[in-house]
Amino acid sequence: EEQLVESGGGLVQPGGSLRLSCAASGFTFRNFWMHWVRQPPGKGLVWVSRIDENGSGARYAASVKGRFTISRDNAKNTVDLQMNSVGPEDTGVYYCARDADNSGFALDLWGQGTLVTVSS
Amino acid sequence: SYELIQPPSVSVSPGQTGSITCSGDDLADKFVSWYQKKPGQSPILVMFQDNKRPSGIPERFSGSSSVNTATLTISGTQPVDEADYYCQAWDSSTNVVFGGGTKLT
Repeated sequence: EEQLVESGGGLVQPGGSLRLSCAASGFTFRNFWMHWVRQPPGKGLVWVSRIDENGSGARYAASVKGRFTISRDNAKNTVDLQMNSVGPEDTGVYYCARDADNSGFALDLWGQGTLVTVSS
Repeated sequence: SYELIQPPSVSVSPGQTGSITCSGDDLADKFVSWYQKKPGQSPILVMFQDNKRPSGIPERFSGSSSVNTATLTISGTQPVDEADYYCQAWDSSTNVVFGGGTKLT
């Protein structure tokens, strides 16, 4: 069964750091771009970042550029999101998702999400 | 930056047809995907490349696109279809972009 499982969420103080991880199984992870998408409380889905299949190319939403870093380990089938200098606006459920055809056109497999709360 | 605009809510009676629109500049030049999101659950891809259904998605879901508007249509809507629906496209300036979401009741 194809699966994505996120971990690492929790409570973090403003200005602090947190590292999210997503473990993939059931498919050939190294062949796919991977994305992080978040959903703030009571709001819609917001794209955060994506990384290409070999980790050589990454893109970020303007709101997180310079603060967040996406990375992957194809040997371990994991994709991480390092979150630095977080603020209340970063609060939400963070999902990792697989890119269906490495184009950004569709995300066809999603994890269950991990909750990040930025608060003092 | 590129934006996708959806109506906040759409209401449909069981068994009837409901349509959700998604508007954006030159949207017909882009592929649009649609996701179903229920509270406490992960998003599910229900339509990609404007009008293609992933395996396992019921035939009552269909999609179309023209000029600046994409539409997700649900025929014979069932109570289980009540959810938030998000359109999504890719743009060179903003990469992946989602619409604001539409609550289908």
